[in-house]
Amino acid sequence: GENVEQHPSTLSVQEGDSAVIKCTYSDSASNYFPWYKQELGKRPQLIIDIRSNVGEKKDQRIAVTLNKTAKHFSLHITETQPEDSAVYFCAAPLPSGYSTLTFGKGTMLLVSP
Amino acid sequence: GAGVSQTPSNKVTEKGKYVELRCDPISGHTALYWYRQSLGQGPEFLIYFQGTGAADDSGLPNDRFFAVRPEGSVSTLKIQRTERGDSAVYLCASSTGTTGELFFGEGSRLTVL
Repeated sequence: GENVEQHPSTLSVQEGDSAVIKCTYSDSASNYFPWYKQELGKRPQLIIDIRSNVGEKKDQRIAVTLNKTAKHFSLHITETQPEDSAVYFCAAPLPSGYSTLTFGKGTMLLVSP
Repeated sequence: GAGVSQTPSNKVTEKGKYVELRCDPISGHTALYWYRQSLGQGPEFLIYFQGTGAADDSGLPNDRFFAVRPEGSVSTLKIQRTERGDSAVYLCASSTGTTGELFFGEGSRLTVL
């Protein structure tokens, strides 16, 4: 089955800095890579995703890059704000479909004012 | 409803007891998923329904866990002979089955004493 490794486990930045979270996956057939944000005590919510036919996708201050050869993908957040503080999870699909996902262990991002 | 609804939000039970957790997905979403999230971990896939049938139950940890979705809408996750290791937040999610985005509920926190 799919194995997803995520690092770092915690990341502390100053407001306005950039943050990068990296994930690797094991199944070369995987073709969909979402990122979910989970605020403390809340439900996970999708913030951005990328399919394997593109190398990069951007949405305002967040972007995801994908390197299929190396089997890794990264989340980039620019101009971080305190409200970006949360746990971020990367994921990759199991064979049964886009939404049967193997999640990484998460990265706790702390943005200090 | 507006979002995925899960009941109960909290359940405390004793080891060996039977537990049922309920999920009411977003109206019109044909796909329904159960995940389990332990403290400090990412969600772990349990089972996926497409309509009334379980399309993938490979994540159920053992035969004490069972889930149904008899009319293709509400789903119930059933856990027999609960063990302390079953303690976790059980997340339900639904999707349209086309975009990949999972819409999670707030979860049911299960504590087995």
